[in-house]
Amino acid sequence: DTAVSQTPKYLVTQMGNDKSIKCEQNLGHDTMYWYKQDSKKFLKIMFSYNNKELIINETVPNRFSPKSPDKAHLNLHINSLELGDSAVYFCASSIMTGANVLTFGAGSRLTVL
Amino acid sequence: DQQVKQNSPSLSVQEGRISILNCDYTNSMFDYFLWYKKYPAEGPTFLISISSIKDKNEDGRFTVFLNKSAKHLSLHIVPSQPGDSAVYFCAVLRGPYGGSQGNLIFGKGTKLSVKP
Repeated sequence: DTAVSQTPKYLVTQMGNDKSIKCEQNLGHDTMYWYKQDSKKFLKIMFSYNNKELIINETVPNRFSPKSPDKAHLNLHINSLELGDSAVYFCASSIMTGANVLTFGAGSRLTVL
Repeated sequence: DQQVKQNSPSLSVQEGRISILNCDYTNSMFDYFLWYKKYPAEGPTFLISISSIKDKNEDGRFTVFLNKSAKHLSLHIVPSQPGDSAVYFCAVLRGPYGGSQGNLIFGKGTKLSVKP
């Protein structure tokens, strides 16, 4: 009974393609996030949605578009993929209170050839 | 400009001994400090946190110490077990909570190896 699930776990694609990563949480959390872990191993926030409203949008190229159809889902769509987009993408969720403890999914490894 | 620094990429410790993982931060406005543990091919999992108004928080074998004057955070694991072998990330909650929108800023991680 996975709390935060992301699909696919692995994705290999060619430059220029468009791809999506889906995320679902069954924790009843009100906030969802996308983080990117690049080759240097830093985990950096990309987007945050609270009750389907975008609240954080870091300096991410507009080729990346998050979509939140409801509180339990936050999908990431990437247009015109580039080599530098290769990374592990983590979805997370939280109830935004106190230390704001995030629960992460297992990650989706994207490889752009 | 790294706001959270974990200067040791790796640490090796004998089973039963103490593991000490360190983290430095630059901004005195952080409200909460957290440690996450990550196994290969899994997402980070929350371990322990501390509020900026405290200097110590303990949970079983795990203790986090906060030295605000030095802007330094450490995680102590006693006694260390082989199952503790993982990458440990320090994270800080940016800004006064009410305005931060919950953005956690992570360090680069320290890989801990506990040898039997």
